[in-house]
Amino acid sequence: EIVLTQSPGTLSLSPGERATLSCRASHSVSSSYLAWYQQRLGQPPRLLIYAASTRATGIPDRFSGSGSGTDFTLTISRLEPEDFAVYYCQQYGSSFFSLFTFGGGTKVEFK
Amino acid sequence: EVQLVESGGGLVKPGGSLRLSCTASGFTFSNAWMSWVRQVPGKGLEWVGRIKSKSDGGTADFAAPVKGRFSLSRDDSKNTMFLQVNSLKTEDTGVYYCSTEKKDSNGWYFRAFDYWGRGTLVAVSS
Repeated sequence: EIVLTQSPGTLSLSPGERATLSCRASHSVSSSYLAWYQQRLGQPPRLLIYAASTRATGIPDRFSGSGSGTDFTLTISRLEPEDFAVYYCQQYGSSFFSLFTFGGGTKVEFK
Repeated sequence: EVQLVESGGGLVKPGGSLRLSCTASGFTFSNAWMSWVRQVPGKGLEWVGRIKSKSDGGTADFAAPVKGRFSLSRDDSKNTMFLQVNSLKTEDTGVYYCSTEKKDSNGWYFRAFDYWGRGTLVAVSS
């Protein structure tokens, strides 16, 4: 089973600042199958990035994804008020336990 | 516009059963691979299961914690997917979201979930 560990657990920042979120996998993950989601309070998750670095439809270019192997990063270049939310990484990999696994999440909160 | 609407959640005692539904619109449901993802309120996301399109075999896969207790089916004529949840445990409590698996125009699946419903709450308690 591949475990995804996200850090930090909470990121306290101000609007306009840069946010860098980390997702580390216990084993190598295919870049084709690494995604990032945003979840605002009371809402379902929203796909931001798939295939490690491709923005989903309608996602602003201040969001970018990078990485390979076991280390992946989501960067928000300049935080807007609506970006304060919880972010999850997710990978796909055939295993006995689960086809898809999510990281524990990083909360981006107002400083 | 793509819409996914879940229903069927509720309060149930341990050992009980429920049938969750996900009704879709705005896309060709019969071609879609559909998943359920659950979330304990205030906690993280957990994938539950997926059913492929009939043209791709219509098979279902499940996460280990629910294997043997949950089953998936679909009625393409009604654009609806069903999750039958049996032998419920307190740890099955959560909001159950249905979602679509992202596919490009060439039929390549990106193993990411591009559309989500608003979820239905399942509460298992005595």
